[in-house]
Amino acid sequence: DSGVTQTPKHLITATGQRVTLRCSPRSGDLSVYWYQQSLDQGLQFLIQYYNGEERAKGNILERFSAQQFPDLHSELNLSSLELGDSALYFCASSVEGMSTQYFGPGTRLTVL
Amino acid sequence: TQLLEQSPQFLSIQEGENLTVYCNSSSVFSSLQWYRQEPGEGPVLLVTVVTGGEVKKLKRLTFQFGDARKDSSLHITAAQPGDTGLYLCAGLKSGGYQKVTFGIGTKLQVIP
Repeated sequence: DSGVTQTPKHLITATGQRVTLRCSPRSGDLSVYWYQQSLDQGLQFLIQYYNGEERAKGNILERFSAQQFPDLHSELNLSSLELGDSALYFCASSVEGMSTQYFGPGTRLTVL
Repeated sequence: TQLLEQSPQFLSIQEGENLTVYCNSSSVFSSLQWYRQEPGEGPVLLVTVVTGGEVKKLKRLTFQFGDARKDSSLHITAAQPGDTGLYLCAGLKSGGYQKVTFGIGTKLQVIP
């Protein structure tokens, strides 16, 4: 158990819908990262937050957004969902920007 | 095109055999990490190599960082069924905030 929690574990929805994925980092970790993992693309970095502020952006679509709240939990919002958005979404946390990342168990999103 | 190329992508071997997986890039990284991911779980960090030419051993696993810090290898001696999983390499670049790029992974199956 990494100490990072993600909810829900599984999510099934339809194209065009909007979903919110939630992540609680390890106690004391200020950085949160979001990744998307698909079979053909592997693990793709989406976005990083540090203590409530956006720090780095990767291959995140405009339809996707994220935020980190004062209690340090984070949410990833995915809107206008497409079939190709079906993937595993992982959250990771670290103490600060350059230290070891600890991954949560992931949310499996299926878009039908 | 993947910034980090991992090979082979799939490997199925008998228990007791040795194997090597590779992680190659045309980019220089400040450090390189290896993760292992089991089905339904997030990646778990195995090792971080920082210095060009560095070799680190973790029981039956030997990790090497190339002299030019562009490539790495993971060698497993006498593979066990418990070694089965997806092995991911991740390159880190310094410069303010952590920018990490993952390879697509090597899926290893060790048959009893």
